[in-house]
Amino acid sequence: DTEVTQTPKHLVMGMTNKKSLKCEQHMGHRAMYWYKQKAKKPPELMFVYSYEKLSINESVPSRFSPECPNSSLLNLHLHALQPEDSALYLCASSQGQAPTYEQYFGPGTRLTVT
Amino acid sequence: DQQVKQNSPSLSVQEGRISILNCDYTNSMFDYFLWYKKYPAEGPTFLISISSIKDKNEDGRFTVFLNKSAKHLSLHIVPSQPGDSAVYFCAASDLSGGSNYKLTFGKGTLLTVNP
Repeated sequence: DTEVTQTPKHLVMGMTNKKSLKCEQHMGHRAMYWYKQKAKKPPELMFVYSYEKLSINESVPSRFSPECPNSSLLNLHLHALQPEDSALYLCASSQGQAPTYEQYFGPGTRLTVT
Repeated sequence: DQQVKQNSPSLSVQEGRISILNCDYTNSMFDYFLWYKKYPAEGPTFLISISSIKDKNEDGRFTVFLNKSAKHLSLHIVPSQPGDSAVYFCAASDLSGGSNYKLTFGKGTLLTVNP
Protein backbone atom coordinates (compact mmCIF):
# COMPACT_ATOMS: atom_id res chain seq x y z
CA ASP A 1 0.00 0.00 0.00
CA THR A 2 1.70 3.19 -1.21
CA GLU A 3 -1.22 5.47 -0.57
CA VAL A 4 -1.48 8.65 1.47
CA THR A 5 -5.10 9.52 2.18
CA GLN A 6 -6.43 12.94 3.07
CA THR A 7 -9.83 13.97 4.36
CA PRO A 8 -11.86 15.89 3.55
CA LYS A 9 -11.31 16.42 -0.18
CA HIS A 10 -12.96 19.83 -0.03
CA LEU A 11 -13.62 22.15 2.89
CA VAL A 12 -15.37 25.50 3.07
CA MET A 13 -15.08 27.34 6.35
CA GLY A 14 -15.80 30.76 7.74
CA MET A 15 -13.16 32.88 9.42
CA THR A 16 -14.48 32.08 12.89
CA ASN A 17 -14.70 28.31 12.40
CA LYS A 18 -12.43 25.63 13.78
CA LYS A 19 -11.78 22.66 11.52
CA SER A 20 -9.18 19.93 11.07
CA LEU A 21 -7.53 18.31 8.08
CA LYS A 22 -6.51 14.69 8.40
CA CYS A 23 -3.81 12.65 6.72
CA GLU A 24 -3.05 8.93 7.05
CA GLN A 25 -0.40 6.56 5.71
CA HIS A 26 0.28 2.89 6.41
CA MET A 27 3.67 2.56 4.77
CA GLY A 28 5.61 2.71 8.03
CA HIS A 29 7.02 6.10 7.07
CA ARG A 30 8.54 8.09 9.92
CA ALA A 31 8.49 11.54 8.30
CA MET A 32 5.27 13.36 7.49
CA TYR A 33 4.78 16.76 5.89
CA TRP A 34 2.19 19.48 5.34
CA TYR A 35 2.48 21.64 2.22
CA LYS A 36 0.35 24.53 1.03
CA GLN A 37 -0.14 25.14 -2.69
CA LYS A 38 -1.81 28.19 -4.20
CA ALA A 39 -2.94 28.24 -7.82
CA LYS A 40 -0.08 28.34 -10.35
CA LYS A 41 2.47 28.28 -7.50
CA PRO A 42 4.78 25.54 -6.25
CA PRO A 43 4.03 23.53 -3.11
CA GLU A 44 5.38 25.37 -0.06
CA LEU A 45 6.49 23.43 2.98
CA MET A 46 4.66 24.25 6.21
CA PHE A 47 5.59 21.57 8.75
CA VAL A 48 7.63 18.39 9.02
CA TYR A 49 7.25 15.70 11.65
CA SER A 50 10.03 13.18 12.10
CA TYR A 51 9.41 10.23 14.40
CA GLU A 52 6.26 11.97 15.64
CA LYS A 53 8.15 15.07 16.74
CA LEU A 54 7.86 18.45 15.05
CA SER A 55 11.08 18.87 13.12
CA ILE A 56 10.40 21.89 10.94
CA ASN A 57 7.96 24.79 11.27
CA GLU A 58 8.42 27.14 8.33
CA SER A 59 7.31 30.20 10.33
CA VAL A 60 3.67 29.27 9.81
CA PRO A 61 1.08 31.49 11.58
CA SER A 62 -0.31 30.03 14.78
CA ARG A 63 -3.79 29.78 13.29
CA PHE A 64 -2.40 26.57 11.74
CA SER A 65 -1.65 23.96 14.39
CA PRO A 66 -0.19 20.58 13.40
CA GLU A 67 -0.52 17.41 15.40
CA CYS A 68 0.96 13.93 14.97
CA PRO A 69 -1.01 11.60 17.27
CA ASN A 70 0.88 8.51 16.07
CA SER A 71 3.23 7.42 13.33
CA SER A 72 0.41 6.89 10.81
CA LEU A 73 -1.64 10.04 11.37
CA LEU A 74 -1.06 13.72 10.82
CA ASN A 75 -3.61 16.43 11.53
CA LEU A 76 -3.70 20.12 10.74
CA HIS A 77 -5.98 22.11 13.03
CA LEU A 78 -7.35 25.33 11.58
CA HIS A 79 -8.71 28.27 13.56
CA ALA A 80 -9.52 31.88 12.67
CA LEU A 81 -8.25 31.54 9.13
CA GLN A 82 -8.16 34.36 6.60
CA PRO A 83 -9.46 34.27 3.02
CA GLU A 84 -5.84 34.32 1.77
CA ASP A 85 -5.37 30.92 3.45
CA SER A 86 -7.59 29.40 0.76
CA ALA A 87 -5.38 26.86 -1.04
CA LEU A 88 -4.72 23.18 -1.68
CA TYR A 89 -3.21 21.56 1.41
CA LEU A 90 -1.05 18.56 0.61
CA CYS A 91 0.15 15.92 3.01
CA ALA A 92 3.18 13.77 2.23
CA SER A 93 5.18 11.03 3.91
CA SER A 94 8.58 9.43 3.45
CA GLN A 95 10.75 6.79 5.12
CA GLY A 96 13.00 9.47 6.51
CA GLN A 97 13.49 13.20 6.30
CA ALA A 98 16.47 13.17 3.92
CA PRO A 99 15.49 14.14 0.36
CA THR A 100 16.86 10.83 -0.96
CA TYR A 101 13.74 9.24 0.51
CA GLU A 102 10.87 9.60 -1.94
CA GLN A 103 7.98 11.66 -0.67
CA TYR A 104 4.56 10.19 -1.31
CA PHE A 105 1.84 12.80 -1.58
CA GLY A 106 -1.86 12.60 -0.87
CA PRO A 107 -4.43 14.13 -3.26
CA GLY A 108 -4.83 17.19 -1.07
CA THR A 109 -7.67 19.05 0.64
CA ARG A 110 -9.03 22.04 -1.27
CA LEU A 111 -9.74 24.66 1.41
CA THR A 112 -11.87 27.74 0.85
CA VAL A 113 -12.09 30.35 3.61
CA THR A 114 -15.09 32.68 3.30
CA ASP B 1 13.41 35.10 -4.19
CA GLN B 2 12.83 32.01 -6.34
CA GLN B 3 15.68 29.58 -5.85
CA VAL B 4 14.28 27.05 -8.33
CA LYS B 5 12.93 28.39 -11.60
CA GLN B 6 10.97 26.73 -14.35
CA ASN B 7 10.69 29.48 -16.90
CA SER B 8 8.31 27.71 -19.29
CA PRO B 9 4.79 27.58 -17.83
CA SER B 10 3.69 25.23 -20.59
CA LEU B 11 5.00 22.96 -23.34
CA SER B 12 3.14 21.20 -26.13
CA VAL B 13 4.64 18.18 -27.92
CA GLN B 14 3.47 15.63 -30.48
CA GLU B 15 3.13 12.02 -29.38
CA GLY B 16 6.30 10.05 -30.09
CA ARG B 17 8.57 13.10 -30.06
CA ILE B 18 10.92 14.22 -27.32
CA SER B 19 9.74 16.46 -24.47
CA ILE B 20 12.39 18.60 -22.80
CA LEU B 21 11.53 20.35 -19.56
CA ASN B 22 14.03 22.80 -18.10
CA CYS B 23 14.86 23.96 -14.60
CA ASP B 24 17.39 26.46 -13.25
CA TYR B 25 18.51 26.99 -9.68
CA THR B 26 20.38 29.73 -7.91
CA ASN B 27 21.40 28.19 -4.57
CA SER B 28 24.87 26.66 -4.91
CA MET B 29 24.23 24.54 -1.80
CA PHE B 30 21.66 22.46 -3.68
CA ASP B 31 23.13 19.07 -4.52
CA TYR B 32 20.11 16.82 -4.95
CA PHE B 33 17.41 17.35 -7.53
CA LEU B 34 14.08 15.69 -8.16
CA TRP B 35 11.28 15.78 -10.69
CA TYR B 36 7.66 15.26 -9.69
CA LYS B 37 4.65 14.83 -11.95
CA LYS B 38 1.16 15.99 -10.99
CA TYR B 39 -2.15 15.10 -12.58
CA PRO B 40 -5.25 17.21 -11.79
CA ALA B 41 -6.95 16.26 -8.52
CA GLU B 42 -3.98 14.12 -7.47
CA GLY B 43 -0.91 14.78 -5.38
CA PRO B 44 2.54 15.05 -6.98
CA THR B 45 4.23 11.74 -7.81
CA PHE B 46 8.00 11.24 -7.69
CA LEU B 47 9.48 10.63 -11.13
CA ILE B 48 13.27 10.67 -11.06
CA SER B 49 16.14 12.21 -9.11
CA ILE B 50 19.82 13.04 -9.54
CA SER B 51 22.61 13.88 -7.16
CA SER B 52 25.27 16.43 -8.02
CA ILE B 53 27.95 13.74 -8.28
CA LYS B 54 26.30 12.64 -11.52
CA ASP B 55 25.46 14.50 -14.69
CA LYS B 56 22.86 12.06 -16.00
CA ASN B 57 20.33 9.63 -14.61
CA GLU B 58 18.06 7.49 -16.72
CA ASP B 59 14.92 5.53 -15.90
CA GLY B 60 13.09 4.07 -18.86
CA ARG B 61 11.75 6.88 -21.03
CA PHE B 62 12.87 9.53 -18.53
CA THR B 63 16.36 11.01 -18.35
CA VAL B 64 17.50 13.87 -16.18
CA PHE B 65 20.62 15.85 -17.11
CA LEU B 66 22.46 18.08 -14.66
CA ASN B 67 24.85 20.88 -15.61
CA LYS B 68 26.29 22.07 -12.30
CA SER B 69 28.37 24.88 -13.74
CA ALA B 70 25.28 26.36 -15.39
CA LYS B 71 23.05 25.47 -12.41
CA HIS B 72 20.67 23.90 -14.88
CA LEU B 73 18.87 20.60 -15.16
CA SER B 74 16.54 19.18 -17.74
CA LEU B 75 14.12 16.28 -17.96
CA HIS B 76 13.88 14.44 -21.26
CA ILE B 77 10.93 12.20 -22.03
CA VAL B 78 11.37 9.97 -25.07
CA PRO B 79 9.07 9.00 -26.67
CA SER B 80 6.36 11.24 -25.28
CA GLN B 81 2.95 9.69 -24.71
CA PRO B 82 -0.46 11.32 -24.17
CA GLY B 83 -0.49 9.90 -20.62
CA ASP B 84 2.56 12.04 -19.87
CA SER B 85 0.37 15.14 -20.04
CA ALA B 86 0.65 16.64 -16.55
CA VAL B 87 2.34 19.39 -14.57
CA TYR B 88 6.03 18.67 -13.95
CA PHE B 89 7.72 20.16 -10.89
CA CYS B 90 11.46 20.45 -10.45
CA ALA B 91 12.66 20.37 -6.81
CA ALA B 92 16.03 20.80 -5.13
CA SER B 93 17.56 20.12 -1.75
CA ASP B 94 20.82 20.25 0.19
CA LEU B 95 22.05 16.78 1.23
CA SER B 96 24.27 18.22 3.96
CA GLY B 97 21.11 18.97 5.94
CA GLY B 98 21.16 22.67 5.31
CA SER B 99 17.61 24.03 5.61
CA ASN B 100 16.77 20.68 7.24
CA TYR B 101 16.61 18.83 3.91
CA LYS B 102 13.67 20.93 2.80
CA LEU B 103 12.59 20.50 -0.83
CA THR B 104 12.34 23.76 -2.76
CA PHE B 105 10.00 23.44 -5.72
CA GLY B 106 9.77 25.33 -8.99
CA LYS B 107 6.42 26.66 -10.23
CA GLY B 108 5.92 23.76 -12.60
CA THR B 109 5.57 23.27 -16.36
CA LEU B 110 2.33 22.01 -17.89
CA LEU B 111 3.21 19.40 -20.52
CA THR B 112 0.60 18.55 -23.13
CA VAL B 113 1.31 15.60 -25.41
CA ASN B 114 -0.95 15.66 -28.45
CA PRO B 115 -1.97 12.37 -30.12
